[in-house]
Amino acid sequence: GQNIDQPTEMTATEGAIVQINCTYQTSGFNGLFWYQQHAGEAPTFLSYNVLDGLEEKGRFSSFLSRSKGYSYLLLKELQMKDSASYLCAVFDSNYQLIWGAGTKLIIKP
Amino acid sequence: DVKVTQSSRYLVKRTGEKVFLECVQDMDHENMFWYRQDPGLGLRLIYFSYDVKMKEKGDIPEGYSVSREKKERFSLILESASTNQTSMYLCASSLLGQGFSGANVLTFGAGSRLTVL
Repeated sequence: GQNIDQPTEMTATEGAIVQINCTYQTSGFNGLFWYQQHAGEAPTFLSYNVLDGLEEKGRFSSFLSRSKGYSYLLLKELQMKDSASYLCAVFDSNYQLIWGAGTKLIIKP
Repeated sequence: DVKVTQSSRYLVKRTGEKVFLECVQDMDHENMFWYRQDPGLGLRLIYFSYDVKMKEKGDIPEGYSVSREKKERFSLILESASTNQTSMYLCASSLLGQGFSGANVLTFGAGSRLTVL
């Protein structure tokens, strides 16, 4: 079967750095997305990786290793507004999106 | 700056009632999707549509139907609501087909939380 694993919940301190991991086992791979979802709000797009390596966007970076079936989202200089759930999703060989259950990130002052 | 609007944020219905969830997007996107989101589970696709009057089943279509009479509007219908359909329902749209990988960023609505008693 197809599966995406993420930690259920993580806690970090304001101003610090946090890494949210995502591992996947899917029938084929055609790209990986990260979305952010604040409580009670719509998920919003953060990043897309299809090639190995690190993509940086301001305070957020996303890394992909296709050979390991692994990605992470790195958040630097954490702010209270970064408290949210982070969803990992993979396009499989049929370009169907497979979603992880999400990681709830709690930021403490 | 509203892009995907779901008509109802919260609904409470009784078992057996017919339920309509409406979704409208103003971005002229071809593709629209209905997902449900439950705690501890990833988003699960119910139905999607690539064009007006076209629909495709997703992973969990049982108990649901959809309607897309206009490009901007995609409705989810629960013919006879049941308690196991209590969930958060998310509508989304995208510009290109799912076969175009990175260009298929989904824009989501804020969700409709349905409780079936």
